[in-house]
Amino acid sequence: GQQLNQSPQSMFIQEGEDVSMNCTSSSIFNTWLWYKQEPGEGPVLLIALYKAGELTSNGRLTAQFGITRKDSFLNISASIPSDVGIYFCASLPRDGNYGQNFVFGPGTRLSVLP
Amino acid sequence: KAGVTQTPRYLIKTRGQQVTLSCSPISGHRSVSWYQQTPGQGLQFLFEYFSETQRNKGNFPGRFSGRQFSNSRSEMNVSTLELGDSALYLCASSFGRREQYFGPGTRLTVT
Repeated sequence: GQQLNQSPQSMFIQEGEDVSMNCTSSSIFNTWLWYKQEPGEGPVLLIALYKAGELTSNGRLTAQFGITRKDSFLNISASIPSDVGIYFCASLPRDGNYGQNFVFGPGTRLSVLP
Repeated sequence: KAGVTQTPRYLIKTRGQQVTLSCSPISGHRSVSWYQQTPGQGLQFLFEYFSETQRNKGNFPGRFSGRQFSNSRSEMNVSTLELGDSALYLCASSFGRREQYFGPGTRLTVT
């Protein structure tokens, strides 16, 4: 079945540094979503992407839908302590019929050191 | 618009008991999906309801069931609880097949 891989699994960075993480798959997807989850809370939607090559920003966050439709990346610029959390990618398979649901990656755990 | 709400937020149950969790989607959203999240397995899809019908189902035993009401509110039930059912149960609502918005989750602990 469709699987999403995220890298890195975890990262420790200094406050103020830029962060880059990605999500890849061997399958083609129609939609890429990026979420952030903090301890004890549900994932919060950060950015949604719908077209191959699309580049979308949300404040200090920028995400891109890969042109092969098999990957996406998320960048965070000038990290701050509140960026700490687990970042998940999620996607809907290309044929996206009602028999399929969103697939989630295992997450990238981000720690920001002051 | 109010976000997705889930009740209760925390629950402690004993093995063998059953539990019912509730989810109210964002107003206008007719699709509700349920997920189980554990440290070892990540986010695992349980089922999706749309217009009171189960539209999609994950690979969980029959002890896990759900339903959706005419106002799109959804409940999930777990019968004969096992220790391994301890997890964060997340509900997500969506309009169409685009973004899913999650609730805060219900933390279930089975002792």
